[in-house]
This record gives sequence, C-alpha cells and structure tokens, in this order.
Amino acid sequence: SQQGEEDPQALSIQEGENATMNCSYKTSINNLQWYRQNSGRGLVHLILIRSNEREKHSGRLRVTLDTSKKSSSLLITASRAADTASYFCATDVGGGGNKLTFGTGTQLKVEL
Amino acid sequence: EAGVAQSPRYKIIEKRQSVAFWCNPISGHATLYWYQQILGQGPKLLIQFQNNGVVDDSQLPKDRFSAERLKGVDSTLKIQPAKLEDSAVYLCASRRGTNTDTQYFGPGTRLTVL
Repeated sequence: SQQGEEDPQALSIQEGENATMNCSYKTSINNLQWYRQNSGRGLVHLILIRSNEREKHSGRLRVTLDTSKKSSSLLITASRAADTASYFCATDVGGGGNKLTFGTGTQLKVEL
Repeated sequence: EAGVAQSPRYKIIEKRQSVAFWCNPISGHATLYWYQQILGQGPKLLIQFQNNGVVDDSQLPKDRFSAERLKGVDSTLKIQPAKLEDSAVYLCASRRGTNTDTQYFGPGTRLTVL
C-alpha cells in the first residue's frame, strides 16, 4: 500500500519559478526521503530528512517536515527545464533495513 | 563507481509465459531491493536481501514470483506464469550497509504482458 500521497499530482511552471510539492503520510516515521525519476530512468535520491529535523537544504532544494501533521514539502527554487521529472516522497518507518514506502508522485513540467 | 545494472531493459511476453530479470548492484553493497512500479504509481517493495539472505518478502506474490541472490552479489527476479497485471517497471536498488540510508536505483526493466 502507498504510505505517502503527493500533492499536486501534476504541476506545470515556467523556468525560473519555484515549484512546491507536498507529501502526506499515515504512520510515524524514522526519516522521509525525496526521489526524482526522469522519463524512462531509475530513481535518483535527492534529500533525506530525519524525524527530529524540521528543515533541510541541498542546493536549490529545501525540504520541510512537520511530524505533527505527518506532512513534508519539497521546494525547488529557480527551476530549470532539466528539473522536469516525477518526484516521489518515500518514508522509512524504522526497524532496520531502510525499507521505503513510496508515495504516488508529483509530475513536474518546467517550460521554457 | 559503476551504478546498479539491470537487464534486459525491455521485455514483452504473452500471459502465462515466464520471464526473468537480472540485477547487479553497486560493488560492495550488501543490501539489494526489488521494486515493482506500475504506471502512474510509486514503486512498491517486493523483496529485500541482506547479503544472500531474505530480509523482507512480505509483498512478494510467492505463488508466481521468486527471487534469489545466491552469492550475495547479483540477483534474479522471476515471474512464472505472468499475468496481465504484472505489466510494470521492475526496479532494482542497492544500499551499502546498515548505517547508510541512501538507496541507489538501476534503470529498471519495463515488462509488458500481452
């Protein structure tokens, strides 16, 4: 079953704009990760935020985590056409093994 | 370092036929995962290996799916017999060890069952 639900399902923006996508999940987690998937390719790990963290940055990416609301958001600033991809959140509920449960994904299209 | 390798990249079969996928993880990675990704959905974990032992196969349909990692390195996933609903991308991922959290994914095998 899917643990996370991403919102929106699809997002279209212009190059240079910021893109925000949200993830909600159902159970307590050890950490939450965001992955990117380009058309026809495997997933690429973007960023991980642990349950005791509230915000994390990596380059043009900013992730927030609100464990009280069981939600996370991914912000991509100054988007580029190359950011066009599907973005998935994945939760690790702990217990060892780094077993991930992925959400349904947000399809981002960045237009020139 | 080389990434996770998978083959074949594409496979088309008729229902009730058998099919096998191969995965070679990143060198030195002890943990290996197989995921199924149906079109429009996120990946779903099928099975997880730690070296050559199964850690979790709770979501593997064992009546038709099987997987092995005999020498603790590469792995095969088999479907026998295939059903229409098995059409999906099968992703393999690996992780170095128990103290790291990042999984590295291969390009996947796209299976179409007709």
